[in-house]
Amino acid sequence: GAGVSQSPSNKVTEKGKDVELRCDPISGHTALYWYRQSLGQGLEFLIYFQGNSAPDKSGLPSDRFSAERTGGSVSTLTIQRTQQEDSAVYLCASSVRDTSSYEQYFGPGTRLTVT
Amino acid sequence: EDQVTQSPEALRLQEGESSSLNCSYTVSGLRGLFWYRQDPGKGPEFLFTLYSAGEEKEKERLKATLTKKESFLHITAPKPEDSATYLCAAGSSNYQLIWGAGTKLIIKP
Repeated sequence: GAGVSQSPSNKVTEKGKDVELRCDPISGHTALYWYRQSLGQGLEFLIYFQGNSAPDKSGLPSDRFSAERTGGSVSTLTIQRTQQEDSAVYLCASSVRDTSSYEQYFGPGTRLTVT
Repeated sequence: EDQVTQSPEALRLQEGESSSLNCSYTVSGLRGLFWYRQDPGKGPEFLFTLYSAGEEKEKERLKATLTKKESFLHITAPKPEDSATYLCAAGSSNYQLIWGAGTKLIIKP
């Protein structure tokens, strides 16, 4: 079946512009996670959704970052007034349920470059 | 504090030279131990989940094992296509996975 998809695959933006990153999870997966991975670094948790609710936003680096999920499916991560330190690969993952007993399936990521 | 540590950071092997990657974890109430493979420019690909000490799982040349403090990913007679970064993650007592920094594996032909 279809896996997790993300768009765009690459995004180059100028400092100060807003960007939107999209994630389409695996159908039927109720949990959705956003991570950030800087070059050569591990995965940094940003936010997760159970259905359309985001019980934990503690990983969002600043108030310039926000995310929403609609219809228990598609999620959008928005970064306002981008800064150069926002440059990274943004990964989305989905899981059958939001407990850590279940594996997460990842999309290919969006590579964001802020110039 | 929950923590996952992977070693070594990088490992270079000759094709056919078997070895093991280590994942040490300190997690309260382990819910599961996960192994992933990540190729450059791609998202992590799920490999295995282990739930209890003594459990083992195999897939082709890979075998994952779990003790109460660590997990090993054994690679038998690796091929160049096994080159990738291998990530492990531990499920804690809530919904989050605690991620290790990964081991970069390079298999030389």
